[in-house]
Amino acid sequence: EIVLTQSPGTLSLSPGERATLSCRASQSVSGSYLAWYQQKPGQAPRLLIYTASSRATGIPDRFSGSGSGTDFTLTISRLEPEDFAVYYCQQYGSSPRTFGQGTKLEIK
Amino acid sequence: QVQLQESGPGLVKPSETLSLTCGVSGYSISSGYYWGWIRQPPGKGLEWIGSVYHSGITYYNPSLKSRVTISVDTSRNQFSLKLSSVTAADTAVYYCVRLLIVGATTDYWGQGTLVTVSS
Repeated sequence: EIVLTQSPGTLSLSPGERATLSCRASQSVSGSYLAWYQQKPGQAPRLLIYTASSRATGIPDRFSGSGSGTDFTLTISRLEPEDFAVYYCQQYGSSPRTFGQGTKLEIK
Repeated sequence: QVQLQESGPGLVKPSETLSLTCGVSGYSISSGYYWGWIRQPPGKGLEWIGSVYHSGITYYNPSLKSRVTISVDTSRNQFSLKLSSVTAADTAVYYCVRLLIVGATTDYWGQGTLVTVSS
């Protein structure tokens, strides 16, 4: 199974700053089928990015994804107050689909 | 709008079987996609449990495969999860999901239901 390792575990930033989150895979992710999710307390995860770089419907363009192979990045260009949450990556190109352990984005 | 809703007991005794059902509205399961279960222990990350296609073909996480059964009832437009021999480690929020798959651009999640394993 593909193990996804996210870094950092916690990221402390201020609104207006740029956030860069990393997701590294233990082996190449087939077809770059890598997704990013945002989860707020008490809510189900929300899909932000699929196939590494495509924004899901309704996702603001301050969210962008990049990468291929084993290294992927989620960038939030200018943080809004509602962006502070936990972010997960998921690979869905190989079975079993797996998730990273999450990065908590907190207000500094 | 596709909507999913989990239902089932919120408390299960150790060694018993956890049973949940997911009702789907706004989309016919028979039309396709994979439908699955993902869980999240309190304060922890996400774990895929398994998936089912409308034909009944199933895929399970190897770490849970010996204890999991997922089935689909297209006549009721719902699918179900059974997890046997539960322990406290199975305490989690269980989400039913229309899964993001290769070629798809979205997924749909239920609101989640907390299942606690305790005597």
